Amino acid sequence: DGGITQSPKYLFRKEGQNVTLSCEQNLNHDAMYWYRQDPGQGLRLIYYSQIVNDFQKGDIAEGYSVSREKKESFPLTVTSAQKNPTAFYLCASSIVETGVGDVNTEAFFGQGTRLTVV
Amino acid sequence: KNQVEQSPQSLIILEGKNCTLQCNYTVSPFSNLRWYKQDTGRGPVSLTIMTFSENTKSNGRYTATLDADTKQSSLHITASQLSDSASYICVVSVSGGSYIPTFGRGTSLIVHP
Repeated sequence: DGGITQSPKYLFRKEGQNVTLSCEQNLNHDAMYWYRQDPGQGLRLIYYSQIVNDFQKGDIAEGYSVSREKKESFPLTVTSAQKNPTAFYLCASSIVETGVGDVNTEAFFGQGTRLTVV
Repeated sequence: KNQVEQSPQSLIILEGKNCTLQCNYTVSPFSNLRWYKQDTGRGPVSLTIMTFSENTKSNGRYTATLDADTKQSSLHITASQLSDSASYICVVSVSGGSYIPTFGRGTSLIVHP
């Protein structure tokens, strides 16, 4: 089945450790995104990528790193520099808009990874 | 700065009742507006999408409206069910440039039996 898969669903990390969250999609989408969601808050953009080997910082990139070595994969590393990493992390993918009013730019989301720092 | 504001922040209704959620945006130039439903602990799922030429779009008991002149959208839920309890997120995309959508903070809906 086509879709976007995040793993693991739950992740526990000790303070001071880096951890990598996996995101894989088989939708042939060019764009991929990482969002962070805190309780009662909206989605905040961490990083995004439009093409392999290229990615851009979002609104809250500090303490995070990403790579885009393959079109299908966009892993997110939460580094020890992230001061408050406990959150729900969502990965998404979409096509890149090709024209005005392009309705195919729907973002498809994974099921999320809940990261808890202990 | 592109912004999407949603109201109310939270809403509690009884099963079987109708409700309407609001979304105001300042995103420009406008491409499309989507409403997503996010169940607790899950990723958001698209409910409806509207372009600038569309005024209304239905998906079962969900009906979205769009007024591109006033930059307002609403999501009306008819005959609510317990399974409608979720967060509803308004997302607006721009055209001709950045493909990054702008997300609202969402409205948390709780349906009580």
